[in-house]
Amino acid sequence: KQEVTQIPAALSVPEGENLVLNCSFTDSAIYNLQWFRQDPGKGLTSLLLIQSSQREQTSGRLNASLDKSSGRSTLYIAASQPGDSATYLCAVRDNYGQNFVFGPGTRLSVLP
Amino acid sequence: GAGVSQTPSNKVTEKGKYVELRCDPISGHTALYWYRQSLGQGPEFLIYFQGTGAADDSGLPNDRFFAVRPEGSVSTLKIQRTERGDSAVYLCASSPTGTWGETQYFGPGTRLLVL
Repeated sequence: KQEVTQIPAALSVPEGENLVLNCSFTDSAIYNLQWFRQDPGKGLTSLLLIQSSQREQTSGRLNASLDKSSGRSTLYIAASQPGDSATYLCAVRDNYGQNFVFGPGTRLSVLP
Repeated sequence: GAGVSQTPSNKVTEKGKYVELRCDPISGHTALYWYRQSLGQGPEFLIYFQGTGAADDSGLPNDRFFAVRPEGSVSTLKIQRTERGDSAVYLCASSPTGTWGETQYFGPGTRLLVL
């Protein structure tokens, strides 16, 4: 059974810092991996989707990498801003089902 | 166009009662998913519909949970004899065709509290 973990569980940084969020998954037979953002009381917003054949995806200040063989993905946020404060969720879609398997999330606070 | 919508946004009920949670997917999306998110956790898969049929209901925790999508658009998640442990945010998502590699678009969720 696929399991997804995220480290750290919570992170607090001053504005302007570059930061890395980590995601690990136990079964490397994944179809794709997606990073989401969740604001309090809100649904999930898709940030980046990486197919299993890809190594990384970039969107603005965000860069996500995927190392399928080692079961790891990282989300890099450059020049963090207070508006980046949210919970960041990593989710994998494996080869056995249509659903995503989510990690518990990293709660990020960017202090002005 | 409009995103995925869910009603109600909040629901408070008493233990033992029956509740229905509604999801309106993005128009034209054939795939629909239900997830449940407990406090401090990531969402957990419940059920996936392709059109009107439940293609995968392996995530439903027990037979008190049931979901329908009679016309292939709106879906209703039904919980019988609610228990305090059912308290969570219930998220709905849709995708255009359900094919591998598609992203899923999530609604804001229904926050269910069972007293």
